[in-house]
Parts: sequence; C-alpha cells; structure tokens
Amino acid sequence: DIQMTQSPSSLSASIGDRVTITCRASQNINTYLNWYQHKRGKAPKLLIFSASTLQDGVPSRFSGSASGTVFTLTINSLQPDDFATYYCQQSYDRPWTFGQGTNVDIK
Amino acid sequence: QVQLQESGPGMVKPSETLSLTCTISGGSINGYYWSWIRQPPGKGLEWIGYIYYSGTTNYNPSLESRVTISLDTSQNQVSLTLDSVTAADSALYFCTRGVGHAWFESRLDSWGQGTLVTVSS
Repeated sequence: DIQMTQSPSSLSASIGDRVTITCRASQNINTYLNWYQHKRGKAPKLLIFSASTLQDGVPSRFSGSASGTVFTLTINSLQPDDFATYYCQQSYDRPWTFGQGTNVDIK
Repeated sequence: QVQLQESGPGMVKPSETLSLTCTISGGSINGYYWSWIRQPPGKGLEWIGYIYYSGTTNYNPSLESRVTISLDTSQNQVSLTLDSVTAADSALYFCTRGVGHAWFESRLDSWGQGTLVTVSS
C-alpha cells in the first residue's frame, strides 16, 4: 500500500494566519492527490483534487501544490470556518489511502 | 446537489454481518464510483472499496475476503455488507461518490455524514 505521511498532526493558528500542511507519499503518485476538510458531525468536503485544482465553490484562499512526492495544502488568511481536520488522499493506486489527518484549531 | 444518507443498525454483535445502505438523492448512480470509507474512533480514514456504476468492484485487500458492495439502481442505493465483524470494525462509516474519467484520477466529491457502527455483544 502507498503510505501517506501527513504533517503536522495538529496545529494551532490565529485568524488571518497562513497555514501549511504537508503530505508525503511513499512512492510516486503523479499528481493523483486530493485534499479534504472534515468537521466533526458533518460530511467531509473535497477541497482540492489532482494536487492543485480547486473544487467548485471552495474559497480561493485554499491552494495546493506538488513537488515530487511531497504535496502541500496552503490556507491563506485562515478564517473561523476553516478550523477543522484536513486529510490528503492518493488515488494513484489501490487501495486508495489517506494521510493521518491534521487538526487545525484556534490558538 | 446530490445528497448521500447512510443508514443501518448502530450496533452489531461480534461474528455477525454488518449491513449498511446509502440512499442517493438529487443525483444519478450513473457515471460514478461509489465508495465506502470508515473511520474507527480516534483513528484515520480507511477506504473499504468501491463499485463503479457498471457494477465493477474493487476492495481494500485488508477487507476483501469479508466485504461486498452492491448497487440497487431502482432504489438509487449503494449497500455495504461486512461479514464476521469484530470490535476492530467499530467505526464511523461514510458513503461517498467518486468522480473521474478513470479510477486512478477519481476524487470523492460528495460524502454522507456517516453512520456510527459499534460491534459489541
């Protein structure tokens, strides 16, 4: 299985901060990498697919990038609605696998 | 806007079969990959498997011997059965829709809220 190593596992940030979450794949996954946001008790939400394509309706403060097997989710100017857990997921090979998640909470 | 709603018993006894249903409203089964994902308490997300609208399935090898995913197009439903459950199968189970030209470029663009299943006698 392809291992997805996400870091950090948690972080505290303030409104307006720039937040960066990293996901490293254990092997080449091309750019078949997706990012999701999950709030407790709600349905997870697709933010970015194919490493850097913003899903329709997702605010432009979210962005994704790739460099080899390292993928980054950036949130520019963190908003109150952004406090949640974020997951990366690879679809390059089956079984599809997820990172362990990054919990973003209020500093 | 498609909506997915999982349903099923909240508790299952060890060694029995877990059965869940996902009802799809506001959209069609056609053209999509329908996956089940689970999240054990305090742990990360695990992909269980998917069924393509054509009926083709693919399962996580860690669960393949015990899992079946099926479609009921007349009811617009996707079902999951997991045999011989143990406490390790206790989790929040999500139904998801995958979109993409092929399975390897598929992303999960719609999710249900999840249904909690506890395995206990």
